Amino acid sequence: DVVMTQSPLSLAATLGQPASISCRSSQSLVHSDGNTYLMWFHQRPGQPPRRLISRVSNRDSGVPDRFSGGESGSDFTLKISRVEAEDVGVYYCMQGTHWPFTFGPGTKVDVK
Amino acid sequence: EVQLVESGGGLVQPGGSLRLSCAASGLTFSTYWMSWVRQAPGKGLEWVANIKQDGRVQNYVDSVKGRFTVSRDNAYNSLYLQMNGLRAEDTAVYYCAGQLSLKWWGQGMPVTVSS
Repeated sequence: DVVMTQSPLSLAATLGQPASISCRSSQSLVHSDGNTYLMWFHQRPGQPPRRLISRVSNRDSGVPDRFSGGESGSDFTLKISRVEAEDVGVYYCMQGTHWPFTFGPGTKVDVK
Repeated sequence: EVQLVESGGGLVQPGGSLRLSCAASGLTFSTYWMSWVRQAPGKGLEWVANIKQDGRVQNYVDSVKGRFTVSRDNAYNSLYLQMNGLRAEDTAVYYCAGQLSLKWWGQGMPVTVSS
């Protein structure tokens, strides 16, 4: 199975400042169809996850443009340009290229 | 607005069975892959299974193969997860999710396996 790792596992972000989370896969996530199925999700306490980004960098509708996704080889990054209070929670990356799909362990974000 | 509503969870003894259902609305259900994802108490997310639009292809995580069966009824916009041989480690909140890349999520349904 593809192992997804994230760093850091915990992040104390500062209101109004940028923040970044990294995700690495144990193998290439480039699908035979040419797409890279790497998604980012945000889960607030007591809530279901919400998808933020699909295929590395495609922001879902309604997701603030302060969220962006990028990649460099097998390393993927979720960036928040200016952290807001509502951004607290856990962020997960997930690969959807290889069966079974696998999630990263999550990065818990607090806002100070 | 897409809505996914899970039902059928609860407390079951080890070795027992449960059937989860997910009622979908606000989307053309028959055109999307559907998935189940679970989250053990205090833990991260684990993808469990999914099923293709026509129901002919299913995929499972190894830990549930042979015990869980995912199915769907497109006429009723419904997704199911039949869970047999339940173990303590299956205790989790089970989420129904729509689209192959998990665009839409239900609120989740707790399943507790305990004697």
